[in-house]
Amino acid sequence: QVHLVQSGAEVQKPGASVKVSCKASGYPFTDYYIHWVRQAPEQGLEWVGWINPKSGDTSYAQKFQGRVTMTRDTSITTAYMELSGLKSDDTAMYYCARDIMHTQLWYFFEYWGQGTLVTVSS
Amino acid sequence: IQLTQSPSSLSASVGDRVTITCRASQGISSYLAWYQQKPGKAPKLLIYAASTLHSGVPSRFSGSGSGTDFTLTISSLQPEDFATYYCQQISSPSVTFGGGTTVEIK
Repeated sequence: QVHLVQSGAEVQKPGASVKVSCKASGYPFTDYYIHWVRQAPEQGLEWVGWINPKSGDTSYAQKFQGRVTMTRDTSITTAYMELSGLKSDDTAMYYCARDIMHTQLWYFFEYWGQGTLVTVSS
Repeated sequence: IQLTQSPSSLSASVGDRVTITCRASQGISSYLAWYQQKPGKAPKLLIYAASTLHSGVPSRFSGSGSGTDFTLTISSLQPEDFATYYCQQISSPSVTFGGGTTVEIK
């Protein structure tokens, strides 16, 4: 079955960068878009962007453009999200999620990773 | 595009019929999904394309609407349904979520 397993919790200082990984298994990795969504403590959900694992193409929410980079390594079926210039309000749980549709971008998130807590604190 | 969910919270009893609404600031056709999230867990997809029940989701969940007004209905609330529910719109290239509705035990 489909699994998305994320890297462990991170604590970073303001201004630093963080890179979160998302290891996919149970399906053809390059056939489904991967999205990243974050959730600040006790807050709602916020979409960060997507990556096409086949081509490496990406699209980011306007709020994060210039600070976020999404990449992938197809040899190990892993997607990455790196966020730079961290601020205290970047403290959140970061989730990777797989799109529902095979080879197309539907933006409905069918499978989710367990989440990676990123804490930004001096 | 902004999504406004109402109510923000509600109290209900097992067996109750529950309806949650989601209003979009502009028309989004049927590009809307509903998710359920329990504390400490990732969200779970319930409904997509406004009214399509995702595989494995109990039939007591249903979605309706198009354009700007949407509803999620739970026909008979079960103990495992106490959670927070989010709507999500996908007016490409932007994705936004509603503020959430927490369903609590009365």
